[in-house]
Amino acid sequence: QPVLTQSSSASASLGSSVKLTCTLSSGHSNYIIAWHQQQPGKAPRYLMKLEGSGSYNKVSGVPDRFSGSSSGADRYLSISNLQSEDEADYYCETWDSNVWVFGGGTKLTVL
Amino acid sequence: EVQLVESGGGLVKPGGSLRLSCAASGFTFSDVWLSWVRRAPGKGLEWVGRIKTKTDGETTDYSAPVKGRFTISRDDSKNTLYLQMNSLKAEDTAVYYCTTHGDNGFVRFWGHGTLVTVSS
Repeated sequence: QPVLTQSSSASASLGSSVKLTCTLSSGHSNYIIAWHQQQPGKAPRYLMKLEGSGSYNKVSGVPDRFSGSSSGADRYLSISNLQSEDEADYYCETWDSNVWVFGGGTKLTVL
Repeated sequence: EVQLVESGGGLVKPGGSLRLSCAASGFTFSDVWLSWVRRAPGKGLEWVGRIKTKTDGETTDYSAPVKGRFTISRDDSKNTLYLQMNSLKAEDTAVYYCTTHGDNGFVRFWGHGTLVTVSS
């Protein structure tokens, strides 16, 4: 089954941009993933589905500042014009053969 | 509006059992695959297991750490999802989230979670 690897932490200044990475394991580089956000003290929420082509589908209510892209086995979540409410844990997710997998999560700090 | 409300969490001793419930509303419950996902203190999200719809055979699948100890079931007449947890271990301590799956297979909606603490 696939393994998803994420950096444990990232930080960027208020108003700047950041790009979070989720890397698929060898042999799974074409997998589709999803991105989820978990703000402190809140339940996680689904942000978007992201394909290997870089095509992404955000759900209603996710700001335009959030976008997705892909390169090889890497899947990215980009956030522009960072706001304080973007400080959260971000997880990627995929699934195969009736097993679901989450990455270890990236804790984003907005300075 | 989709709502998922978990209940049944609490403190239990190692080796003990607990049953979690998830009351759902705002969508056609019987049409949706459902999963439990947990987050242990200081750790990330971990998928626990999934149940398909009755149409799809109500098949269940589990992660390796809980297979044989946890059982997921659903009652479509009550719009409720269950997680029966037996032979609990300290490492099962976590907030347990009830989730739905979208048509694309990914986890789509999340409940607010219920805390399970396994400690003597």
